[in-house]
Amino acid sequence: AQKVTQAQTEISVVEKEDVTLDCVYETRDTTYYLFWYKQPPSGELVFLIRRNSFDEQNEISGRYSWNFQKSTSSFNFTITASQVVDSAVYFCALPSIGAGSYQLTFGKGTKLSVIP
Amino acid sequence: DGGITQSPKYLFRKEGQNVTLSCEQNLNHDAMYWYRQDPGQGLRLIYYSQIVNDFQKGDIAEGYSVSREKKESFPLTVTSAQKNPTAFYLCASSKDRYNEQFFGPGTRLTVL
Repeated sequence: AQKVTQAQTEISVVEKEDVTLDCVYETRDTTYYLFWYKQPPSGELVFLIRRNSFDEQNEISGRYSWNFQKSTSSFNFTITASQVVDSAVYFCALPSIGAGSYQLTFGKGTKLSVIP
Repeated sequence: DGGITQSPKYLFRKEGQNVTLSCEQNLNHDAMYWYRQDPGQGLRLIYYSQIVNDFQKGDIAEGYSVSREKKESFPLTVTSAQKNPTAFYLCASSKDRYNEQFFGPGTRLTVL
């Protein structure tokens, strides 16, 4: 069974601080993908990144970076120099790709509050 | 602009009534999904559809029904059999099961 754990329920940081959101996953698939989504107060989920299990290189996109470590089943997300607009709930998700399944397992999310 | 639209944004229902939530996409995606989100929780899959005229139950399908008569549309009906329907409902679509899902703005349903 698929499982995604985001142990940090809520995090508060002061603007311009760096913050890392943790994601630990469990899967029996040998090939898999991982996603991160952002849910601002408006409610719509915004896709941030997709990572293939083949590729363990870190990814950087502006102030966002992702650290994928297959050995520890973790896919952590770091925001550098946080801004108030980063305040949102962030979800890590793991699709099941076995046997035609379209299931996407979400973690419970981490609520990030950036204080000005 | 390509995207997913959901309507209405807010919906109020009396107990015992069925209501239908609309979801339309113009991304030419084959797969569409319905999720339910409760306060402080992640998303739970209600139904999904891989292609037109086909759909599958997710984790919490009881009390819900769907149809997929057109590629662009995947309406969700919340029936009176759903015991606790008050929640935030999100529709999504994807090219296929390997690709990311794109989400609509959501419908917030409240049962009075």
